[in-house]
Amino acid sequence: GQQLNQSPQSMFIQEGEDVSMNCTSSSIFNTWLWYKQDPGEGPVLLIALYKAGELTSNGRLTAQFGITRKDSFLNISASIPSDVGIYFCAGTNNNAGNMLTFGGGTRLMVKP
Amino acid sequence: EADIYQTPRYLVIGTGKKITLECSQTMGHDKMYWYQQDPGMELHLIHYSYGVNSTEKGDLSSESTVSRIRTEHFPLTLESARPSHTSQYLCASSEEGSKVGQFFGPGTRLTVL
Repeated sequence: GQQLNQSPQSMFIQEGEDVSMNCTSSSIFNTWLWYKQDPGEGPVLLIALYKAGELTSNGRLTAQFGITRKDSFLNISASIPSDVGIYFCAGTNNNAGNMLTFGGGTRLMVKP
Repeated sequence: EADIYQTPRYLVIGTGKKITLECSQTMGHDKMYWYQQDPGMELHLIHYSYGVNSTEKGDLSSESTVSRIRTEHFPLTLESARPSHTSQYLCASSEEGSKVGQFFGPGTRLTVL
């Protein structure tokens, strides 16, 4: 089946630093999604990408849909303590009926 | 306000008890899902439903069962809880043909002693 490899698994950074994480897939997706999960809560959608090459921003967050449709990355600029959490990528395609394939998550820790 | 709710948020019970985790959404979504997630780990789909009276098993085998009698309600039941069922259970919903992915509830953290 489809697999998503998300890296890095964890990051420990200083407040103010930029962060980059990515996901690669063994097969093509039509849509890439990036979620953030705070401790003890459910994932919240941050950014959705629908076209290969698409670059989308949401505040300090920027995500791109890779040209090959097999990868995506998420950047966070000027990190702040509330960025702490687990970031998940997810892919889906039109044939999957909204079914999502999730990456393993990137745990982000920010030192004030 | 459109939202997705899960109750209880936390549950600690003894082995052998029957439990039902509740999930309700007010967005009128046809599709609903249950995921199991160990702390800090990836999400595993255990059940999903494409509408009333439709339920399917997900990728991860689970001893739980689900029902979908009403569009807005998708409860998950464990007939006899065991310590191996200790985990976080996340409910989600999505709209048919939607491009915005799935909306998640806050989760139920289950501990079986």
